[in-house]
Amino acid sequence: DAGITQSPRHKVTETGTPVTLRCHQTENHRYMYWYRQDPGHGLRLIHYSYGVKDTDKGEVSDGYSVSRSKTEDFLLTLESATSSQTSVYFCAISRGSRDEQYFGPGTRLTVT
Amino acid sequence: DQQVKQNSPSLSVQEGRISILNCDYTNSMFDYFLWYKKYPAEGPTFLISISSIKDKNEDGRFTVFLNKSAKHLSLHIVPSQPGDSAVYFCAASAESGTYKYIFGTGTRLKVLA
Repeated sequence: DAGITQSPRHKVTETGTPVTLRCHQTENHRYMYWYRQDPGHGLRLIHYSYGVKDTDKGEVSDGYSVSRSKTEDFLLTLESATSSQTSVYFCAISRGSRDEQYFGPGTRLTVT
Repeated sequence: DQQVKQNSPSLSVQEGRISILNCDYTNSMFDYFLWYKKYPAEGPTFLISISSIKDKNEDGRFTVFLNKSAKHLSLHIVPSQPGDSAVYFCAASAESGTYKYIFGTGTRLKVLA
């Protein structure tokens, strides 16, 4: 199994508060991704990173920011959480941009 | 605009029989496809891939077929086992794609013992 951990695994927060989710890998893979999974939508890419300090937007990036200061860590921040951001968030890693991705266990976020 | 579609939300199959999961796409630039399996409360796990230069790829009980003219791919599981019960996602990528992989909405497979 690829060494990917996500923290926290579960979080409940209030509307308007900032939230940061962490993804940590031990595989030294170049690419890291943040997805959200919602019923009827499958997995949608929020942001991705192709190296330290190199990030780009995915298809549902509004309201989210990311940072990658080390190869092994990729942080996802919800600047001001809204109820529409209640979801399950998955981090993934890959060696190359077209390679298969390995996913973390997910973080269930509830915004009340 | 759903570029990758899995039109069957669920599928039930008897143990030992064939499971066929379907995936359709609209973007003719997609040239690499992946299938993932997902159990509840876990992240998706990679199953099998296929490039557009092939029309079939096989790995043990799993075979993926690609029909480029129909923009359709399918995952065959033979024989199906109860442990195959999970949600299956297909994903597509284009060489020039901005968002790397686009995922379908998933099909929940239930294999009945």
